[in-house]
Amino acid sequence: SYVLTQPPSVSVAPGKTARIPCGGENIGSKSVHWYQHKPAQAPVMVIHIDSDRPSGIPERFSGSNSGGSATLTITSVEPGDEADYFCQVWDGSSDHGVFGGGTKLTVL
Amino acid sequence: QVQLQQWGAGLLKPSETLSLTCVVFGESFSDYYWSWIRRPPGKGLEWIGEVNHSGTTKYNKSLKSRLTISVDTSKNQFSLNLNSMTAADTGVYFCAGGRGGELEQWGQGTLVTVSS
Repeated sequence: SYVLTQPPSVSVAPGKTARIPCGGENIGSKSVHWYQHKPAQAPVMVIHIDSDRPSGIPERFSGSNSGGSATLTITSVEPGDEADYFCQVWDGSSDHGVFGGGTKLTVL
Repeated sequence: QVQLQQWGAGLLKPSETLSLTCVVFGESFSDYYWSWIRRPPGKGLEWIGEVNHSGTTKYNKSLKSRLTISVDTSKNQFSLNLNSMTAADTGVYFCAGGRGGELEQWGQGTLVTVSS
């Protein structure tokens, strides 16, 4: 089955830029979605279809999918951005959803 | 924009069946795919399965033998049944909906604990 690979953790100082990669075979041919998950809360979709930002999501959140990897970028990181971030695609060959292992973003 | 609210028993004994239901508020129930996702403690999100308004289902192969997801369009609800529960099934279970492969809106989550 399809596998998405994320680093377990990323650390960034407040005000700096965080980049969270998501790798998978031929990922550029798939639509990648990103979710923010904080403790005791429901996950929130922050990027869909590679780079589209849902209404209500700050412009600091952006996404890209090229060069063999998808990336979630958060600029001007704030303490409130500290959370687990998951990439997700639909795997057509197995006909089900697939999540990456998740990346814990720590704001130093 | 739809809103989801879920409910179901949170404490189960091994071998029992988990039953969760999610109700959808708002329009366009038939435009969405309705999914269940879980997060075990200390682990990541796991896609469980989905159903559409016609009752067509897609399941995670690792759970397929124990899993039933159904829909009741008259009530704008969809449900999950997972039998033969074990401690490995402990976690927070979420319902969610999306119009493509993404999960746009999520329920509040239900903590499910399997313990004797």
